[in-house]
Amino acid sequence: AAGVIQSPRHLIKEKRETATLKCYPIPRHDTVYWYQQGPGQDPQFLISFYEKMQSDKGSIPDRFSAQQFSDYHSELNMSSLELGDSALYFCASSFGIQAPGELFFGEGSRLTVL
Amino acid sequence: AQSVTQPDIHITVSEGASLELRCNYSYGATPYLFWYVQSPGQGLQLLLKYFSGDTLVQGIKGFEAEFKRSQSSFNLRKPSVHWSDAAEYFCAVGYSTLTFGKGTMLLVSP
Repeated sequence: AAGVIQSPRHLIKEKRETATLKCYPIPRHDTVYWYQQGPGQDPQFLISFYEKMQSDKGSIPDRFSAQQFSDYHSELNMSSLELGDSALYFCASSFGIQAPGELFFGEGSRLTVL
Repeated sequence: AQSVTQPDIHITVSEGASLELRCNYSYGATPYLFWYVQSPGQGLQLLLKYFSGDTLVQGIKGFEAEFKRSQSSFNLRKPSVHWSDAAEYFCAVGYSTLTFGKGTMLLVSP
């Protein structure tokens, strides 16, 4: 069965550079969530989109932005990267926002900021 | 605000022994509770979830969890651990967006 696809799987950037992470949800899923997991930390919710509109916002820095496109894929844009942005970034998708817990996670994109 | 506490950072269990991972939560309304497992460098896989009804829920890979409202707990159990169960386990609470605990790393000894 198709799963959530994230790209790239690994990314290395310098401080102050920009990075873009992409997430392709499971077919027919219309809701996308972004989570950030720092080294040895629990995943922290960043932002979510339902039907291409932002549905919820968590601890996403102002330097980050995200959007969901007409094909439901989502991109997380990170600018002015800092060392502390080094983390595993997970995308999850679900069908409909009224589906508690039915989140399917991708394998994550590991960002390393040098 | 909702929160999740997993009091054990690491747990070591002998292969074949039983396992219980603790989870306590704080949530303003009826909690939706989940357990996820994460192998090194991998994504999060849902083991089981509780929304309502029977307080003992069965999950994949032989895991089960019991919701105890009076204790605000949702402990994960497995009667006999296999070496392949070694991973990090996260308890989470929420509806569509989830709040995770800090995780418990399970080590399995021969």
